[in-house]
Amino acid sequence: DTGVSQDPRHKITKRGQNVTFRCDPISEHNRLYWYRQTLGQGPEFLTYFQNEAQLEKSRLLSDRFSAERPKGSFSTLEIQRTEQGDSAMYLCASSLGVDTQYFGPGTRLTVL
Amino acid sequence: GQSLEQPSEVTAVEGAIVQINCTYQTSGFYGLSWYQQHDGGAPTFLSYNALDGLEETGRFSSFLSRSDSYGYLLLQELQMKDSASYFCAVGRGSTLGRLYFGRGTQLTVWP
Repeated sequence: DTGVSQDPRHKITKRGQNVTFRCDPISEHNRLYWYRQTLGQGPEFLTYFQNEAQLEKSRLLSDRFSAERPKGSFSTLEIQRTEQGDSAMYLCASSLGVDTQYFGPGTRLTVL
Repeated sequence: GQSLEQPSEVTAVEGAIVQINCTYQTSGFYGLSWYQQHDGGAPTFLSYNALDGLEETGRFSSFLSRSDSYGYLLLQELQMKDSASYFCAVGRGSTLGRLYFGRGTQLTVWP
């Protein structure tokens, strides 16, 4: 039984660089979510896909952030022109229904 | 908007029972979930309540009162491995699937 996987697990980048993260959901799950979590806080919603359609984006997601889910399978989250404030854990989750989300291990981003 | 309130810290000893409360304010409430997160780990689903009442899963139980906008997570027979952060999260019908998380309760279990 494979859960949600994310790659890379850690990313260190310099301010102004672009970064891309990948999420592979549980295979039969049609819903995929991206959250961001900083120390001492709960996860904050970023965006959500049902199959390949991006149904909602948080106002937290500035125009430097973009997410895709081609063919309704894996998803990528790209951050352009990274800023120090982007340093956080980026979590991906997937679900079949609306009651239970299964989270991946996260990608920890550090922007120097 | 929406807000969730839960205690920031709770401590207890092994074998004890602890209750973590969560009050929420949101429109279009759909359901209340609980997640556990160990340091450096990912949130793990524990329980979900859409209707009033108690849901029991092993040592963990969760309760919801929709009229009071209140829920709690009850952990029984505490073990050292239960030391973690516990988050309540609400779902709204208008944004089905999206979860709004509280700031979490850090539970420390002492031997």
